[in-house]
Amino acid sequence: QVQLQESGPGLVRPSETLSLTCTVSGVSVSSANFYWTWIRQPPGRRLEWIGSIYYNGSANYSPSLKSRVTISADPSRNQFSLKLTSVTAADTAAYYCARLGAGVPVIFSWGQGPLVTVSS
Amino acid sequence: DIQMTQSPSSLSASAGDRVTITCQASQDITNSLNWYQQKPGQAPKFLIYDASKLATGVPSRFSGSGSGTDFTLTISSLQPEDIATYYCQQSHNLPLTFGGGTKVDIK
Repeated sequence: QVQLQESGPGLVRPSETLSLTCTVSGVSVSSANFYWTWIRQPPGRRLEWIGSIYYNGSANYSPSLKSRVTISADPSRNQFSLKLTSVTAADTAAYYCARLGAGVPVIFSWGQGPLVTVSS
Repeated sequence: DIQMTQSPSSLSASAGDRVTITCQASQDITNSLNWYQQKPGQAPKFLIYDASKLATGVPSRFSGSGSGTDFTLTISSLQPEDIATYYCQQSHNLPLTFGGGTKVDIK
């Protein structure tokens, strides 16, 4: 059974960097069958795709966040990570890590999506 | 970006009712449309992919239809365990985009 678990601070100060890690079990992040993905949901708003990384290290990002986002993977730990720089209150959201199919582009698995609040 | 518009934003129906949720894309996405169910306090769960194909283990009372720009999710006989918010998502182009959600309640 595939499971994903986010970890990282629940509170980030404005202008600082939000950093989250997703630990994957049940499948390797080196699998060519999936894209490892971050999605967020601000309170009361719709889900927003942040970006995805493939097993070979290539990544795609949302155009609206591209200048501030980096997604990376660590196959030795079976983890992938999100860094979002220069955060503001508008970045307050539940942040989900997810497994996106490569052949069938559907999100097969999600983490629990902890709320990250940006506040001083 | 492809905009996804869902309607209604919320609905209340009786157990056993047929429930229909619509999703409209701002441009032709062929059949690249997925549906997810999110129960309160839980992560979303994938229900339907490619507009009409049921994920493994999803009850047959759920069905999806449509192509191009207009899509529908139908629950043929609403059950108490179906109380959730339902989201559509297009996988035709990056960036992946989601509908605003439809919250389904039992009367």
